[in-house]
Amino acid sequence: GAGVSQSPSNKVTEKGKDVELRCDPISGHTALYWYRQSLGQGLEFLIYFQGNSAPDKSGLPSDRFSAERTGGSVSTLTIQRTQQEDSAVYLCASSFAPGTSSSPLHFGNGTRLTVT
Amino acid sequence: AQSVSQHNHHVILSEAASLELGCNYSYGGTVNLFWYVQYPGQHLQLLLKYFSGDPLVKGIKGFEAEFIKSKFSFNLRKPSVQWSDTAEYFCAVKVSSASKIIFGSGTRLSIRP
Repeated sequence: GAGVSQSPSNKVTEKGKDVELRCDPISGHTALYWYRQSLGQGLEFLIYFQGNSAPDKSGLPSDRFSAERTGGSVSTLTIQRTQQEDSAVYLCASSFAPGTSSSPLHFGNGTRLTVT
Repeated sequence: AQSVSQHNHHVILSEAASLELGCNYSYGGTVNLFWYVQYPGQHLQLLLKYFSGDPLVKGIKGFEAEFIKSKFSFNLRKPSVQWSDTAEYFCAVKVSSASKIIFGSGTRLSIRP
């Protein structure tokens, strides 16, 4: 497919368990973002990868959250010891290069995480 | 740190009414500005963007936005809304010296047919 792919689309987990969310960006896109969308909270920036540069992790809410991007392509967002407040839709977006006039963010459909 | 404010959380209009959604950002330097839209059940997509030049930018579906640097604003407008404009609208800013894109909290637009 030509779009950003996220898996799973839905994830229900028990409090205290670890979860991994996956994002396959559009081929050739060098920039990859993770955002969290909670009801009434808009899109909360989590982390940003650009090429081989060190990621911008300034949005990660706690040390339970981590992300990696292997080979400049697929990214995994890991949440350890999940809490109920982690319940949200986690969105991944990619772009060819940030800031250029021809490179808007392309979003995936998100992973809806529910922590019970 | 930069931030984006969207003061209208939920706007309800009748068809053919004019629309203006507010967006203000806090950053004194050069910015790139965006409006994204999320239609029910769909993923976010770009509505329009401002990088430089003419501060009045036109996007898809008859939307436009005006960048007013002195007011740190980038309000979204449409002269006559349609029922199909029902969606959530997000303003976003990219600070040129950094690369992350920060989004506002969104405005939910409901159009009465």
